[in-house]
Amino acid sequence: EDQVTQSPEALRLQEGESSSLNCSYTVSGLRGLFWYRQDPGKGPEFLFTLYSAGEEKEKERLKATLTKKESFLHITAPKPEDSATYLCAVNHQEKLVFGTGTRLLVSP
Amino acid sequence: DSGVTQTPKHLITATGQRVTLRCSPRSGDLSVYWYQQSLDQGLQFLIQYYNGEERAKGNILERFSAQQFPDLHSELNLSSLELGDSALYFCASSSQGSGHGYTFGSGTRLTVV
Repeated sequence: EDQVTQSPEALRLQEGESSSLNCSYTVSGLRGLFWYRQDPGKGPEFLFTLYSAGEEKEKERLKATLTKKESFLHITAPKPEDSATYLCAVNHQEKLVFGTGTRLLVSP
Repeated sequence: DSGVTQTPKHLITATGQRVTLRCSPRSGDLSVYWYQQSLDQGLQFLIQYYNGEERAKGNILERFSAQQFPDLHSELNLSSLELGDSALYFCASSSQGSGHGYTFGSGTRLTVV
């Protein structure tokens, strides 16, 4: 059974304090790993897709990386507006299987 | 605005009732996916339609059904509702299958009392 595990479940940072979120996965023949941001009561918002080990994508203060077993979402000098739940998902049999997310809170 | 429209935004109904959730996909997207999100379970895949045909099924209860119409909008029907069905229901759409990610709507919050 393919599985996506995210850690930590929750993370509290001070503004400007960089950190990383982890997503480990077990899937045969990865066909894409996805990162989404979700604000409370709203739909997930697409951030990145990664397809192969070694690939990296960046957007503002966020950088996603991928290895054969896991992906990291690095947050550099976060701001309070980066507070959200970050979801990781893998493509499995033409559907996305999601992890339970990391709740990030950035305090000013 | 993601381009995926879900109605209604909120729904409160009693146990045993039946409700219909509606989704209009982003223009040009042929695939529609339904997900359920509850506090303790995260996003759970329910069902996928592609151009009017069912493509994949997840852990969707027999009390739940869905369809996609010729204009590509989709409806999720939930019947004999139970308290445990209270959740956020999201619709997502994509143009080329899940290999390119999905665009999600803002969801319907269902409360069963």
